[in-house]
Amino acid sequence: AQSVTQLGSHVSVSEGALVLLRCNYSSSVPPYLFWYVQYPNQGLQLLLKYTSAATLVKGINGFEAEFKKSETSFHLTKPSAHMSDAAEYFCAVSPQQGGSEKLVFGKGTKLTVNP
Amino acid sequence: DAGVTQSPTHLIKTRGQHVTLRCSPISGHKSVSWYQQVLGQGPQFIFQYYEKEERGRGNFPDRFSARQFPNYSSELNVNALLLGDSALYLCASNGGVNNSPLHFGNGTRLTVT
Repeated sequence: AQSVTQLGSHVSVSEGALVLLRCNYSSSVPPYLFWYVQYPNQGLQLLLKYTSAATLVKGINGFEAEFKKSETSFHLTKPSAHMSDAAEYFCAVSPQQGGSEKLVFGKGTKLTVNP
Repeated sequence: DAGVTQSPTHLIKTRGQHVTLRCSPISGHKSVSWYQQVLGQGPQFIFQYYEKEERGRGNFPDRFSARQFPNYSSELNVNALLLGDSALYLCASNGGVNNSPLHFGNGTRLTVT
């Protein structure tokens, strides 16, 4: 069984400040891990994914995430927030054997960026 | 290239009715998955189809069914609608190869009154 916990349903930062969105996962098998972003009234867009090739994963729009097996974490960061980053972010996990279609998502973190 | 397209974008139904949601995957994608996203929650996996065969099913009642057509488009059917079925229904496609990322459509917003 797999699960994802996103700490903090709402995060607020100032423009230009560091963005840190937390994700912890539980998986009985080696996982694939993903971060998706959802803008209002839209579907989900893939930011980045971890597939065991490298523990530090760089994604689109300046985001990156680090896989830490010892901490079962996959936190998302961005050095400098931009107003356009305001959205909801979802962390997701899937088993490496099962394919990436059956994702288990966290409940999401809504990011607000203040001017 | 067109992304994943879903229709309709919005739908209002009454309890007890049934509904059909449609999805066209990205050209060349053979796998389609359906997710339900209730307000304030993350998406939940409902079904996955690959080459017209069901590959996976989430923890949803038998009122939910789906199928995939020879052109890889897909329908999600929900019978005997309940108020709790109100949600954003997302369709996603990928090539079906392990590890290939999902591409999501903008969803169908279903409201059951």
